[in-house]
Amino acid sequence: KAGVTQTPRYLIKTRGQQVTLSCSPISGHRSVSWYQQTPGQGLQFLFEYFSETQRNKGNFPGRFSGRQFSNSRSEMNVSTLELGDSALYLCASSSLRSAQETQYFGPGTRLLVL
Amino acid sequence: GDSVTQMEGPVTLSEEAFLTINCTYTATGYPSLFWYVQYPGEGLQLLLKATKADDKGSNKGFEATYRKETTSFHLEKGSVQVSDSAVYFCALSENTGFQKLVFGTGTRLLVSP
Repeated sequence: KAGVTQTPRYLIKTRGQQVTLSCSPISGHRSVSWYQQTPGQGLQFLFEYFSETQRNKGNFPGRFSGRQFSNSRSEMNVSTLELGDSALYLCASSSLRSAQETQYFGPGTRLLVL
Repeated sequence: GDSVTQMEGPVTLSEEAFLTINCTYTATGYPSLFWYVQYPGEGLQLLLKATKADDKGSNKGFEATYRKETTSFHLEKGSVQVSDSAVYFCALSENTGFQKLVFGTGTRLLVSP
């Protein structure tokens, strides 16, 4: 079974631009979560989507948004990019067959904002 | 809120040495506990997990036991290899059905031949 895939793997943008990252979950997984990883703040939860609905959101400004499609694929968007948005963005999927389900991570998209 | 505290790294060991990475947590309920590993340039890989008190998770020679009385989930391995060099993250997830992981800061392990 194929794992979680994320595209693109690397991105370079300039301040003020916007960016869209894509995540395809493991087949059959309906929950997709996004995390931001930076050297200063570590791994932080952005949001979770299930059945095209955002169920949970972390403490990030409104510039960070996402959505999920009917095939469970998810995108996240960051508008008006700031230097501090440079990070590794990780997507994780879960089957949600139980409350203790494991999240499986993709390889991440590394975003550099200049 | 929920939090996870890990020992500071890097942890530097020689091959075949014994490894312990400490992890303690604070949670309002009864969370599931996880260890994830990150190799350079890669995403996170699940190493092991435990979903209730006294459970022991194990994988690839690594073990961790869910200790509710000490709110700990320390990672151990009896004999490390150079290939174990990576960053290890302890994490928790409240068993609410919402998929939100709270991570520790990570501990870098360096194993020399």
